[in-house]
Amino acid sequence: DTAVSQTPKYLVTQMGNDKSIKCEQNLGHDTMYWYKQDSKKFLKIMFSYNNKELIINETVPNRFSPKSPDKAHLNLHINSLELGDSAVYFCASSPPGLDTGELFFGEGSRLTVL
Amino acid sequence: GQNIDQPTEMTATEGAIVQINCTYQTSGFNGLFWYQQHAGEAPTFLSYNVLDGLEEKGRFSSFLSRSKGYSYLLLKELQMKDSASYLCAVMDSNYQLIWGAGTKLIIKP
Repeated sequence: DTAVSQTPKYLVTQMGNDKSIKCEQNLGHDTMYWYKQDSKKFLKIMFSYNNKELIINETVPNRFSPKSPDKAHLNLHINSLELGDSAVYFCASSPPGLDTGELFFGEGSRLTVL
Repeated sequence: GQNIDQPTEMTATEGAIVQINCTYQTSGFNGLFWYQQHAGEAPTFLSYNVLDGLEEKGRFSSFLSRSKGYSYLLLKELQMKDSASYLCAVMDSNYQLIWGAGTKLIIKP
């Protein structure tokens, strides 16, 4: 069984469109994250959710909105896509405890905006 | 500002030993992490150091010196499958992970 799964793995779309990426974890973790990894390979945190509450909201455009129907799911919705949004988006989860940086990542969703 | 520095790329020979360095400047420190990321795949957790010294885990070891803001990942008996990027990350005083850009390790036969 896949611990953290995200769909789709590949997404090609036109500028201005709206798209969503879904993420599910079956590890029973309380905290889930969305990361963006650009062409320079930096991992940048976008959001994290703990028990359905947003606890980190980095300075990302408000075109990006996380949605968590329950603690096992954290979806990412992007409005009015721009060329600069092209990147790999990783979902991740972590076990309880503030001092744990052990993240379990999904396989990534490669978004290409044309 | 906060930053994590590590070499962009390193090359080593199969069977040899390689040391990947990481220096950091962060607001507070709650641990340093190493992750491995194969091309086109997700990062996977390798190690966690919060106290000074060496942590050994099989062929991989990680060292930390908090006073120097320095860590290294040591890989022994290199195998071709070790070709990957190695990401250093530090947890700051707000328990946020600050990531380095990663070191691409190329293993040659």
